Amino acid sequence: DVKVTQSSRYLVKRTGEKVFLECVQDMDHENMFWYRQDPGLGLRLIYFSYDVKMKEKGDIPEGYSVSREKKERFSLILESASTNQTSMYLCASSLAGLEQFFGPGTRLTVL
Amino acid sequence: AQKITQTQPGMFVQEKEAVTLDCTYDTSDPSYGLFWYKQPSSGEMIFLIYQGSYDQQNATEGRYSLNFQKARKSANLVISASQLGDSAMYFCAIHGGYQKVTFGTGTKLQVIP
Repeated sequence: DVKVTQSSRYLVKRTGEKVFLECVQDMDHENMFWYRQDPGLGLRLIYFSYDVKMKEKGDIPEGYSVSREKKERFSLILESASTNQTSMYLCASSLAGLEQFFGPGTRLTVL
Repeated sequence: AQKITQTQPGMFVQEKEAVTLDCTYDTSDPSYGLFWYKQPSSGEMIFLIYQGSYDQQNATEGRYSLNFQKARKSANLVISASQLGDSAMYFCAIHGGYQKVTFGTGTKLQVIP
């Protein structure tokens, strides 16, 4: 079974802090994705990566960056957290063009 | 650019009845895939069904079927014989060129005993 894990289920940070969200998958998927999920807005794509060291902006990349140094790991970085980044963050992985497998999510609160 | 529209924020269905969740899409890619996911209250995202843009037949997976009408750019999910466990958020998504994926805003389905 594909397993996607995220480093934290709940995270509370202060405005201006640097925040790292880690995602690891164990099925050798080339594609990895970061979304944020907000009520009424569905899932919005922040960044995705289709190979190691490759990254592409999604629909809402502002205020975020990503890193993919190894195939199994995709990190989302909030350089200076702000209150409007309080959200549920979901990581997913997939083979090219196929269904995505999601992690359990990280609920981030920025105070 | 690609877009998914789900116009039903919430729906009710009687247990054992069938229900259709609407999804329309827009894309300029000639080749794409359409997906439906379920998100129960526990929060995990569960893949349900997939339809490729060149597939001639509508996809089916158990009680789930995808009513794909390419000319209308619609990919509605049909759930037959609804069960209480079907109560959840349902998301339609499109996977287009360059591996980008776009989700809709979701439909909250509630199954009534």
